[in-house]
Amino acid sequence: SAVISQKPSRDICQRGTSLTIQCQVDSQVTMMFWYRQQPGQSLTLIATANQGSEATYESGFVIDKFPISRPNLTFSTLTVSNMSPEDSSIYLCSVTPSGRYEQYFGPGTRLTVT
Amino acid sequence: AQSVTQLDSQVPVFEEAPVELRCNYSSSVSVYLFWYVQYPNQGLQLLLKYLSGSTLVKGINGFEAEFNKSQTSFHLRKPSVHISDTAEYFCAVRTVDSSYKLIFGSGTRLLVRP
Repeated sequence: SAVISQKPSRDICQRGTSLTIQCQVDSQVTMMFWYRQQPGQSLTLIATANQGSEATYESGFVIDKFPISRPNLTFSTLTVSNMSPEDSSIYLCSVTPSGRYEQYFGPGTRLTVT
Repeated sequence: AQSVTQLDSQVPVFEEAPVELRCNYSSSVSVYLFWYVQYPNQGLQLLLKYLSGSTLVKGINGFEAEFNKSQTSFHLRKPSVHISDTAEYFCAVRTVDSSYKLIFGSGTRLLVRP
């Protein structure tokens, strides 16, 4: 398995501002993912972030709104830009270690936009 | 395209009673199947997975699931639940190809009452 930490664990932000969420893994992984979980909802994949290449975004998510960095095999950031109350969600990162089929998730970042 | 259906949004059950959480999937190709649990204010934890072989898979915390290809189902069961099993349970699927993306069901809230 993999141990994943996220910072911050929660934040309250004003509309129009941006927040950068950090994801740190205890081992090197190629595949890293970012999800959004809106209140009372399931998980929706935002993008796949592989080291050394541009992130691949899912339908409905764009780089200008959710820029992602992946500088090395143990770290990634997701920025939520120009926030609105509709961005209030839990944001989770996950990884698939090499040779494995499942994903392991971080504890999530609970974002509230006022 | 793949999809996952969890028909029960909430399942109330008394402590020490058995429980089954239902999951059906749709896919034109072979899939891997997973169950995750999310406790309040936490990330997702892998309960169990089906990759191949025996259709009955055992996971953590006394849970098990049975893969039924003809019925395209992967129902989760536990013979005797505890109060601590109260959580949100998600079924997820990914295809057996180069895609690492997980498709999640809408989730089932298991509420265990004393």
